[in-house]
Amino acid sequence: GNSVTQMEGPVTLSEEAFLTINCTYTATGYPSLFWYVQYPGEGLQLLLKATKADDKGSNKGFEATYRKETTSFHLEKGSVQVSDSAVYFCALEGGGSYIPTFGRGTSLIVHP
Amino acid sequence: NAGVMQNPRHLVRRRGQEARLRCSPMKGHSHVYWYRQLPEEGLKFMVYLQKENIIDESGMPKERFSAEFPKEGPSILRIQQVVRGDSAAYFCASSTTGTEGYTFGSGTRLTVV
Repeated sequence: GNSVTQMEGPVTLSEEAFLTINCTYTATGYPSLFWYVQYPGEGLQLLLKATKADDKGSNKGFEATYRKETTSFHLEKGSVQVSDSAVYFCALEGGGSYIPTFGRGTSLIVHP
Repeated sequence: NAGVMQNPRHLVRRRGQEARLRCSPMKGHSHVYWYRQLPEEGLKFMVYLQKENIIDESGMPKERFSAEFPKEGPSILRIQQVVRGDSAAYFCASSTTGTEGYTFGSGTRLTVV
């Protein structure tokens, strides 16, 4: 079946540092890939997506590129802010299944 | 354009009682998914429904749990005879086709005492 593996957290950074959260996936075919963000006490919000190989999703300074050769969709941001502190989930849909599959989530803590 | 509405936000039940969680999808969304999130864990798929149909319930325990999405009204996740291990946050998500991503509700946090 499909699976998503994310790096374990928490990831702790100082404000304005560079962020990378790794995500790799296993799926058949060509899934769509997503990053979601969850702030404390809230539901998940779609952050960005990519639907085919080499697509780059971007939003609010975050970026991720769909790499089929390495089955990866790593999340990056050049300069994080305290307000980016949240839990980030990598997810896929399709790839032989109609059930969206989520990673375990990676907690990001940004200090002033 | 209201998003996915879940209620109640917080629910406290004693062991053995029933918990009923409601989810109203976004307007125009006909696909509903329920997930459970335990502390320090990811999202676990429970059930996928379309109007009046359960499409996939492979993630839902066979005992005590049931879900429906009637023609009219919200989707309901029902947990009978709750136990402490049912304490978790339950999230509902809706979509049109799925390839555009999912819209999540704010969740219902169930506490069994």
